[in-house]
Amino acid sequence: GAVVSQHPSRVICKSGTSVKIECRSLDFQATTMFWYRQFPKQSLMLMATSNEGSKATYEQGVEKDKFLINHASLTLSTLTVTSAHPEDSSFYICSARDLRSKNEKLFFGSGTQLSVL
Amino acid sequence: GQQLNQSPQSMFIQEGEDVSMNCTSSSIFNTWLWYKQDPGEGPVLLIALYKAGELTSNGRLTAQFGITRKDSFLNISASIPSDVGIYFCAGQNTNAGKSTFGDGTTLTVKP
Repeated sequence: GAVVSQHPSRVICKSGTSVKIECRSLDFQATTMFWYRQFPKQSLMLMATSNEGSKATYEQGVEKDKFLINHASLTLSTLTVTSAHPEDSSFYICSARDLRSKNEKLFFGSGTQLSVL
Repeated sequence: GQQLNQSPQSMFIQEGEDVSMNCTSSSIFNTWLWYKQDPGEGPVLLIALYKAGELTSNGRLTAQFGITRKDSFLNISASIPSDVGIYFCAGQNTNAGKSTFGDGTTLTVKP
């Protein structure tokens, strides 16, 4: 099946710093990727849709200046948490659509656990 | 927005028992997906359903797309310890791949 690689898997940073998370589709091209946030024992909350070559589409309540998304190539999307604060600590997960399959399927990265001190 | 009600919230079963969980929605979905998530990992796709009434199996897992397109269930037969995890249903209603997730069912299997 399709493979989505997410890096880093875990990051600890000081309050006020920025953190970049990468999401790569390893064996397919992804014109669209999605970024989710997940709190402990809760469901996945869609933050934004990342579109290759254009601006990301953010869900209501998600600050676009806080969570910068760049989708510069067909295999890479990045999420940058700017000026991180402790409340930004969470599990961030990306997913990508594999358009090669007859019916679209969504594959997820392994997630990034962000801890802001 | 659309919401999915997933039940039960958690299950504690004995190894070898069968498991059943379901998702319901107040509105129609065109695609239903079932994922399993292990701690500290991203969700892994188990089964994808694309037609109302469709019944699909993947090993010991069986899922069905409800006729009304507003519900889906997932069955796991003869559970084993490695089935432990959180199971999420997800509905898609556009071709954009945007999914709405249920709140998850946490499964615990006692050896």
